Amino acid sequence: ETGVTQSPTHLIKTRGQQVTLRCSSQSGHNTVSWYQQALGQGPQFIFQYYREEENGRGNFPPRFSGLQFPNYSSELNVNALELDDSALYLCASSSGTGVYNEQFFGPGTRLTVL
Amino acid sequence: AQSVAQPEDQVNVAEGNPLTVKCTYSVSGNPYLFWYVQYPNRGLQFLLKYITGDNLVKGSYGFEAEFNKSQTSFHLKKPSALVSDSALYFCAVRDRYDYKLSFGAGTTVTVRA
Repeated sequence: ETGVTQSPTHLIKTRGQQVTLRCSSQSGHNTVSWYQQALGQGPQFIFQYYREEENGRGNFPPRFSGLQFPNYSSELNVNALELDDSALYLCASSSGTGVYNEQFFGPGTRLTVL
Repeated sequence: AQSVAQPEDQVNVAEGNPLTVKCTYSVSGNPYLFWYVQYPNRGLQFLLKYITGDNLVKGSYGFEAEFNKSQTSFHLKKPSALVSDSALYFCAVRDRYDYKLSFGAGTTVTVRA
């Protein structure tokens, strides 16, 4: 069974640029959630995709957007990067959206915005 | 709105001693509670969860947690800590109708040899 993978591992961008982060879900999982973990804080929910549709969204502006593909892999896109976007971005996959569907996390992408 | 509080930023214990990491929660309806551990430069690893049933939940690596509804707490425990347990621990909650996990700020555990 292949676990959740994310790419790239690290990324450095400058303010105003755009970035795309990628996530491959665990085999058999159709749901992907994205979280932002700022330094010294717990992860904050960005949004969730279920069967290629956005299933819910946290308190993040529209410049944070996403996609889920037919193979259930996912992308997180962030436009007009700001310094405060510097964080560890975590992707989690699950076999559904219910409470019994445990979320399995990837290793994360460390984004630094200069 | 659901939320989690981890009142201690850091917990320091000697190897072989009991370890407790505290968590309290706020949620409407029945809570679904989770503990995750994060090692440096790594993602989150699942330790255990409470959905329903016995208040004492046993998880990975010898960890357990006790759900206390009256105190709205879900403290993580390990009877005998190891140096390798040194890491960042997160408590998380969700309710039945919400899809997202809400995390606490985390507690750094240091186990000294």
